[in-house]
Amino acid sequence: EVQLVESGGGLVKPGGSLRLSCEGSEVIFSSRTMNWVRQTPGKGLEWVSSISSSGTYVYYADSVKGRFNISRDNAKNSLYLHMSSLTAQDTAVYYCARAVTIFGVVNFDFWGQGTLVTVSS
Amino acid sequence: DIQMTQSPPSLSASVGDRVTITCRASQNIDKYLNWYQQKPGKAPNLLIYAASTLQSGVPSRFSGSASETNFTLTISGLQPEDFATYYCQQSFSPYRTFGQGTKVEVK
Repeated sequence: EVQLVESGGGLVKPGGSLRLSCEGSEVIFSSRTMNWVRQTPGKGLEWVSSISSSGTYVYYADSVKGRFNISRDNAKNSLYLHMSSLTAQDTAVYYCARAVTIFGVVNFDFWGQGTLVTVSS
Repeated sequence: DIQMTQSPPSLSASVGDRVTITCRASQNIDKYLNWYQQKPGKAPNLLIYAASTLQSGVPSRFSGSASETNFTLTISGLQPEDFATYYCQQSFSPYRTFGQGTKVEVK
């Protein structure tokens, strides 16, 4: 069974940095594009970033571009999100999600349980 | 970026009702539209992909349709477990934006 487990969330001061991790339970992790999606408490979903299976292609939402960096280690079946220059607006639950392509359409078929990041002084 | 506009933001319904949620894309996205269901404290769950294809295991009372830049999620015969928040997502662009969500509440 495919399982994704996030870790690394916590309380950080404004302007600080944090690194989130997401570990997959199967080797199949290494052949999939992976994503980070966040959800502000009580609000909707916001796609944050994605990285292709080889790590060649990365994309970021405008709201995090230049501050966040996505990476992966396929040997460890792990995905990372390094976040810097954090502000209160980055406070959210961060999910990792696997992307699959069916009929040429990408969808997010498996999600982790989420890890909470709180930016506060 | 492609903007996804969902409506209504919330709705009240009863068990057995037919519920319709709409999502409009700011540009043509063909069939590159997914629907997710999210319950409180849980991660989203894929319901429909490619605008109208049901994910494995999803009940047939859920259906999706598309007309140009307008997409619809329909629940035919609302069940108690369907009270949740629903999100659309476009995957036409690699910047995979979500709609704002529609919360389906008990009337």
